[in-house]
Amino acid sequence: QAVVTQPSSLSASPGASASLTCTLRSGINVGTYRIYWYQQKPGSPPQFLLRYKSDSDKRQGSGVPSRFSGSKDASANAGILLISGLQSEDEADYYCMIWHSSAWVFGGGTKLTVL
Amino acid sequence: EVQLVESGGGLVQPGRSLRLSCAASGFSFDDYAMHWVRQAPGKGLEWVSGISFNSGSTGYADSVKGRFTISRDNAKNSLYLQITSLRAEDTALYYCAKGDSYYYESSGQQDWGQGTLVTVSS
Repeated sequence: QAVVTQPSSLSASPGASASLTCTLRSGINVGTYRIYWYQQKPGSPPQFLLRYKSDSDKRQGSGVPSRFSGSKDASANAGILLISGLQSEDEADYYCMIWHSSAWVFGGGTKLTVL
Repeated sequence: EVQLVESGGGLVQPGRSLRLSCAASGFSFDDYAMHWVRQAPGKGLEWVSGISFNSGSTGYADSVKGRFTISRDNAKNSLYLQITSLRAEDTALYYCAKGDSYYYESSGQQDWGQGTLVTVSS
């Protein structure tokens, strides 16, 4: 079982909100991890969006709109990237990442379609 | 403005070696950890290696341990990745990335270069 799992795709409508999940493997407690989120558009390098561990330990990327926010769902053992007020330019691949067992581990990514 | 410019990629035969470079500018290079992250064609991101601000600590993904060596020259604002015993599965776009603190273990990738493509094929 992968350390970090993301749904491969998600679709949402313009103006709506999208909740992207990053589920940690059973036995790895999401509460103890700082989760990083990246956005990647075709032909471009990834862009750092934000990192989130708790409401007192979080950082927004430079120039990243506040409609991108992080949280956790302890019951699901998952990190969440919430994108509110979806815009067409939010269509991209989104990756989460954690530090685990002496390595940075990326999730497989979620392709977000805005239609 | 942070700028990271990778170079050194190309078409290489299996088993050969290659050295990637990353020229950094726009920030105090010796104050930040640095990383290499790769992306195979059509695939996701894979962290390859990280190095602390003063080269005091380095780390590698299991998939490259023993074959890749990360280094930096703070006097030249440059990051390097020496790759040996290249395999077809090393084919990827290799990104240089700036960390957000001194140590790579506690430092995600905050800024990214455009990448340099490594293709391993006979």
